[in-house]
Amino acid sequence: IMLTQSPATLSVTPGESISLSCRASQSISTNLHWYQQKPNESPRVLIKYASQSISGIPSRFSGSGSGTDFTLNINRVEPEDFSVYYCQQSNSWPWTFGGGTKLELK
Amino acid sequence: QVQLKESGPGLVQPSQTLSLTCTVSGLSLTSNSVSWIRQPPGKGLEWMGVIWSNGGTDYNSAIKSRLSISRDTSKSQVFLKMNSLQTEDTAMYFCARNTPPEADYFDYWGQGVMVTVSS
Repeated sequence: IMLTQSPATLSVTPGESISLSCRASQSISTNLHWYQQKPNESPRVLIKYASQSISGIPSRFSGSGSGTDFTLNINRVEPEDFSVYYCQQSNSWPWTFGGGTKLELK
Repeated sequence: QVQLKESGPGLVQPSQTLSLTCTVSGLSLTSNSVSWIRQPPGKGLEWMGVIWSNGGTDYNSAIKSRLSISRDTSKSQVFLKMNSLQTEDTAMYFCARNTPPEADYFDYWGQGVMVTVSS
């Protein structure tokens, strides 16, 4: 299953609210997870099963979607949120990741 | 606390075999599953394979013929072996815990080990 993330790069100013997209090549129900990766760090899981929150992750991160279209929302971007975001599906073998969206400072 | 740490050679010659070790602490391999995931420089993530808590394995079909994952539960170590390395295998290699109970996403990651395939 291919995951296509858009946009590839998003330039925003702190305080803006944004949405990142992840589209699957076929239906994956809600078996979709979101990660954040900062430069020279390992990824960190933000959202599991499309919309379920993860303990310790700020509430400004939320997810939605099912089937083939998914969204990661960040309510009021903070300076520490500038990084790359990946989606990952666990509906079918092999598990796959999207190509990533880079969130950068405008 | 849960920790994972990868170790292995930084440089491997083309056509040779890569051997990496993931040493875990704060968790038992008999009740946790561990995956290997890699990331070429400047690129995205690729899931390589998993060793389940019961010792079974599953591999990414794209590299299945070259990959082997095993473990030593007494030493809390998971091993990756991949043969016939090519330059496109140059990447950061991560081990990560498959979050229980569903075990299909990753909550704890190692820091990664950079592997360069070059003569």
